[in-house]
Amino acid sequence: GIQVEQSPPDLILQEGANSTLRCNFSDSVNNLQWFHQNPWGQLINLFYIPSGTKQNGRLSATTVATERYSLLYISSSQTTDSGVYFCAVYYYGQNFVFGPGTRLSVLP
Amino acid sequence: DVKVTQSSRYLVKRTGEKVFLECVQDMDHENMFWYRQDPGLGLRLIYFSYDVKMKEKGDIPEGYSVSREKKERFSLILESASTNQTSMYLCASSTGTANTEAFFGQGTRLTVV
Repeated sequence: GIQVEQSPPDLILQEGANSTLRCNFSDSVNNLQWFHQNPWGQLINLFYIPSGTKQNGRLSATTVATERYSLLYISSSQTTDSGVYFCAVYYYGQNFVFGPGTRLSVLP
Repeated sequence: DVKVTQSSRYLVKRTGEKVFLECVQDMDHENMFWYRQDPGLGLRLIYFSYDVKMKEKGDIPEGYSVSREKKERFSLILESASTNQTSMYLCASSTGTANTEAFFGQGTRLTVV
């Protein structure tokens, strides 16, 4: 089955810093999503991005499907950005496969 | 907005009890999923359903069953709860198309004592 890797596993930043999270996947997929898991455990949809680049405020994401990776950029980080970030891929007829996550801690 | 609602945020149950976790979605999605999340193990798929009355085993179905009598509702059943089923349970739904997007409920933290 498809393998999904994320790096780094842990990231600690000072408030205001920028960061890049990476997601690598082992095969062609129909779509890719980025999620943020908040402190209460809910997975919040950040981006649906099978290819190309999208931006939403301080967050942006880029997926290069031909090279099987996606990047999530967080600019001017805030303490509320803390939590775990997951990427998940989907291949039609299969299921969503999640990466292990990147745990981000933003310090005041 | 898509809404996926899980019936409980926190549950405490005794060993041997039969436990029902309920999930309801309001977007007429064909697919529904149950995952459990444990520290160091990530999200693992328990069961999923592509349609009413249809169910498929995921990666870790042992000790669980599911029910999907209506399109909007997908229930996870722990036939006889055990302490190793203490976990965070997450329900998700998505359309049945190739370019589908998953949406999650708020999660249920289950503790079995």
